[in-house]
Amino acid sequence: QKEVEQNSGPLSVPEGAIASLNCTYSDRVSQSFFWYRQYSGKSPELIMSIYSNGDKEDGRFTAQLNKASQYVSLLIRDSQPSDSATYLCALDAGGTSYGKLTFGQGTILTVHP
Amino acid sequence: GAVVSQHPSWVICKSGTSVKIECRSLDFQATTMFWYRQFPKQSLMLMATSNEGSKATYEQGVEKDKFLINHASLTLSTLTVTSAHPEDSSFYICSARDPGGVRNEQFFGPGTRLTVL
Repeated sequence: QKEVEQNSGPLSVPEGAIASLNCTYSDRVSQSFFWYRQYSGKSPELIMSIYSNGDKEDGRFTAQLNKASQYVSLLIRDSQPSDSATYLCALDAGGTSYGKLTFGQGTILTVHP
Repeated sequence: GAVVSQHPSWVICKSGTSVKIECRSLDFQATTMFWYRQFPKQSLMLMATSNEGSKATYEQGVEKDKFLINHASLTLSTLTVTSAHPEDSSFYICSARDPGGVRNEQFFGPGTRLTVL
């Protein structure tokens, strides 16, 4: 059973729209959650980190965490073609696994003009 | 965010040779670094945790004698792929956590693309 689940997509949205990316996880003790963006052929780039229930906003990005329902999401407002990439959800389970990230399969986002 | 570099960015080698990949934290000291491998159209898979001054911790299924990790200083970890074979061809990426940064955010190096002929 996968620990982190993401819809692989592709998710296609028009330029200027809101892109919504979702991630569910199975380990209830997970404490830290991250969203990374990965362009084709490049390494992941950290976009957002979130640790508490609720929303966290940074520019056009909003991360949402609901620990009771075990999901974390990323909203991208005013999507741009340059946002086209694979978005990876990752978690740090903490405890003896502190610092070790578990990644989802990633969601491919395409923003078309 | 913190800056992590890797060298080389790509390497092509013959089957049976060994390849060393360096990972450096440029603006912070990293007691712990992580090595990942990513095959085409797949997600990142953690290979091992590199601890400064001690032995690396390998994930299940990763051959420690094939993937040698040395973390000799607080800013440098190396991954050596010994007796490389074509099935070792992959994108190898290291990451590090800045102890003085935000919680346990990890930053990735640019990656090394290994092709074994």
